[in-house]
Amino acid sequence: DAGVIQSPRHEVTEMGQEVTLRCKPISGHDYLFWYRQTMMRGLELLIYFNNNVPIDDSGMPEDRFSAKMPNASFSTLKIQPSEPRDSAVYFCASSQTTGGGGYTFGSGTRLTVV
Amino acid sequence: GNSVTQMEGPVTLSEEAFLTINCTYTATGYPSLFWYVQYPGEGLQLLLKATKADDKGSNKGFEATYRKETTSFHLEKGSVQVSDSAVYFCALTSSGNTPLVFGKGTRLSVIA
Repeated sequence: DAGVIQSPRHEVTEMGQEVTLRCKPISGHDYLFWYRQTMMRGLELLIYFNNNVPIDDSGMPEDRFSAKMPNASFSTLKIQPSEPRDSAVYFCASSQTTGGGGYTFGSGTRLTVV
Repeated sequence: GNSVTQMEGPVTLSEEAFLTINCTYTATGYPSLFWYVQYPGEGLQLLLKATKADDKGSNKGFEATYRKETTSFHLEKGSVQVSDSAVYFCALTSSGNTPLVFGKGTRLSVIA
């Protein structure tokens, strides 16, 4: 398996533009997680899915953020409109359980909003 | 709620020095504890874990013991190498049914 695949690796966009981040989880993993990493706040859980259904989106910062998982092999995190404070590294991870240490992380998308 | 507190970094050590990175936690129920490592430009990788009190997790020369009495899970290595330079994250899940909660990470730099 190629692991968790995220795209793009880097994204630079102007304030106000729509940004879409993509993730392909490991086949057979029932859970998918989106995390945001910043220097100030560390790793924050934004949302997670179980069998393609969103379970907890309480970490999504505001209505500008949305996430979908239309099937078991694909998820998107969208920011519309983007703002400079959204600049961060966004990680996707997948797992067979919610905890248990079986998380496999993607390499992340470094987002810069100018 | 669940939370993890790690020692502030960065930590700079000479090669072959002894490493300790402190981690304490607050959790409901019976948490499982983890250390993840993040190398530059990469995602996090599981380094070791412990699922019950007094368990010791170990991998690649790193060790951590689950201390329920002190709510701690300190990471140790007897002799660090330059290749150990990375950011280390302590994390927990409460009763295995909640998503991982991470500490803020501790950056380790090992110089030759």
